Amino acid sequence: AQSVSQHNHHVILSEAASLELGCNYSYGGTVNLFWYVQYPGQHLQLLLKYFSGDPLVKGIKGFEAEFIKSKFSFNLRKPSVQWSDTAEYFCAAQGGSSGSARQLTFGSGTQLTVLP
Amino acid sequence: GAVVSQHPSRVICKSGTSVKIECRSLDFQATTMFWYRQFPKQSLMLMATSNEGSKATYEQGVEKDKFLINHASLTLSTLTVTSAHPEDSSFYICSARDGFYGYTFGSGTRLTVV
Repeated sequence: AQSVSQHNHHVILSEAASLELGCNYSYGGTVNLFWYVQYPGQHLQLLLKYFSGDPLVKGIKGFEAEFIKSKFSFNLRKPSVQWSDTAEYFCAAQGGSSGSARQLTFGSGTQLTVLP
Repeated sequence: GAVVSQHPSRVICKSGTSVKIECRSLDFQATTMFWYRQFPKQSLMLMATSNEGSKATYEQGVEKDKFLINHASLTLSTLTVTSAHPEDSSFYICSARDGFYGYTFGSGTRLTVV
């Protein structure tokens, strides 16, 4: 079955620390990968997405993610976090060999708290 | 950019009543919309895929008679929670495809059944 795993449920960092959030997926065939952010009280917003090409994807607000096919991973990174990055982060995947190829499957989310 | 409007943002209803949630794509046409449910501190769980002009496709375990989905036009999908019970209290989110692979999410509806 298709699945997306985020192993860090809650990450607490100080401002200026570096961030890496893990995301692993289990899909057969072609996969498209996404990272979404949900700020408190707001809707999901797309941070970045990977379809093909350069496995290092740069998104908004200084975030980037690297697709490593051999590890089935798509980790999110940011060199220096800010207090305003406090939010819930969701990894999502789309694709695979099943008939439900167009829908997104979400990971369980990682709550990031950045201390000022 | 693409915008999806979801209404209402919050609703409180009595047990046994029905609640309708609307999801509109404001500046694009969406042949497919998705309805998710999000429990506190958990991920988004896909409930159903709403297809314009045809029946919705429900995920396993989702009661289609309880969660009625109508996608009557290319810009509007509705989710009706029928005979709501306290266990239906949750955060419901819709999304629409805004391009070949783009997804835009609504702001969600917090449903509380008392």
